Amino acid sequence: SQQGEEDPQALSIQEGENATMNCSYKTSINNLQWYRQNSGRGLVHLILIRSNEREKHSGRLRVTLDTSKKSSSLLITASRAADTASYFCATGISSGSARQLTFGSGTQLTVLP
Amino acid sequence: DTEVTQTPKHLVMGMTNKKSLKCEQHMGHRAMYWYKQKAKKPPELMFVYSYEKLSINESVPSRFSPECPNSSLLNLHLHALQPEDSALYLCASSHPRGLASYEQYFGPGTRLTVT
Repeated sequence: SQQGEEDPQALSIQEGENATMNCSYKTSINNLQWYRQNSGRGLVHLILIRSNEREKHSGRLRVTLDTSKKSSSLLITASRAADTASYFCATGISSGSARQLTFGSGTQLTVLP
Repeated sequence: DTEVTQTPKHLVMGMTNKKSLKCEQHMGHRAMYWYKQKAKKPPELMFVYSYEKLSINESVPSRFSPECPNSSLLNLHLHALQPEDSALYLCASSHPRGLASYEQYFGPGTRLTVT
């Protein structure tokens, strides 16, 4: 079942602007990840933040995690047209020797040139 | 090689057909996954294999039958599907242990249409 909700569902911005997406989840987690999916393609892992971390950076990406509010945000700075994609948060739990990801509902980001 | 490959890219099948989806990775990952994704929805986990053994089956109907013949290959056998099974089927893999085991590498997917 779907673990989290993301907002906004859709976001349209101009190239060069910053984009912020939010994710909320329901249960305790080991970590939270963000993935990008270009239209009709596979998902690409962007960044992972552990449950004991509050903020993490990777290039133009900044992720925050607030476990007390069960929420996370993804900030993409200086957006480019190539950033146009769907973005999903995913919470990870351990199930024996397997790792289970549950994805949020996703945000469709459109960056206009 | 950090790629997960899936074949075929597109598949159209009738409700009485039997077909198979294939997934392959050569990253030494010992966990492999099948997901189903409907349009404008997030991926939904179907099956997880860990060390070639089925460890999670998310109550998937028996018309979907997974198989992991070796550590690099994952198949999904399809039989007597329904039109509502039309979706993008994604394969993924990950390391079996440690924090990296949560980072999954996805293939490009197979777009399945059931007529």
